[in-house]
Amino acid sequence: AQSVSQHNHHVILSEAASLELGCNYSYGGTVNLFWYVQYPGQHLQLLLKYFSGDPLVKGIKGFEAEFIKSKFSFNLRKPSVQWSDTAEYFCAVSDPYSGGFKTIFGAGTRLFVKA
Amino acid sequence: GAGVSQSPSNKVTEKGKDVELRCDPISGHTALYWYRQSLGQGLEFLIYFQGNSAPDKSGLPSDRFSAERTGGSVSTLTIQRTQQEDSAVYLCASSLATKNEQFFGPGTRLTVL
Repeated sequence: AQSVSQHNHHVILSEAASLELGCNYSYGGTVNLFWYVQYPGQHLQLLLKYFSGDPLVKGIKGFEAEFIKSKFSFNLRKPSVQWSDTAEYFCAVSDPYSGGFKTIFGAGTRLFVKA
Repeated sequence: GAGVSQSPSNKVTEKGKDVELRCDPISGHTALYWYRQSLGQGLEFLIYFQGNSAPDKSGLPSDRFSAERTGGSVSTLTIQRTQQEDSAVYLCASSLATKNEQFFGPGTRLTVL
């Protein structure tokens, strides 16, 4: 079965520090990859997605992620975090056997940015 | 525009009671998903509906859980004979058939005493 691993459960950074959140998935075939974010008191929302093409994808608020097929990874990055980036971040992978609709989520990474 | 809505926002019930959770997806979205989010856990896939196809129920944790979607729109998730371990936030999401970006509702926080 498809699985998603997020390496860090809690991350604490100071403003302006660089961020990289790890995500690895188990399936080696064609997948759709996502990062979702949940800000305090808000709904989960899409940060960025990869379906095909350029493996470096840009999302909202200066976030980007790189799909490395050989490493089954889709790590999230931001060069300089802000206090407002404090949130929980979820990596997700679609299951191709379900036509790309069944989506498996990682356990999430809670990011706290100190002002 | 209107997003995904869920009701109730909070539900407290006694062990052994049945509960129904409701989800109204975004109009025009043919795919609808239910997830469970327990404290400190990620999102656990429960079930999804896509158009008129048979739902994928592979994530339902036991036969006490069931879901239906009427008219391709509103969905209800039913938990029978609730147990304390069912306490969690139940999230609903919807998406267009041709894109898999999911739009999430605010969730229903279920507490089983």
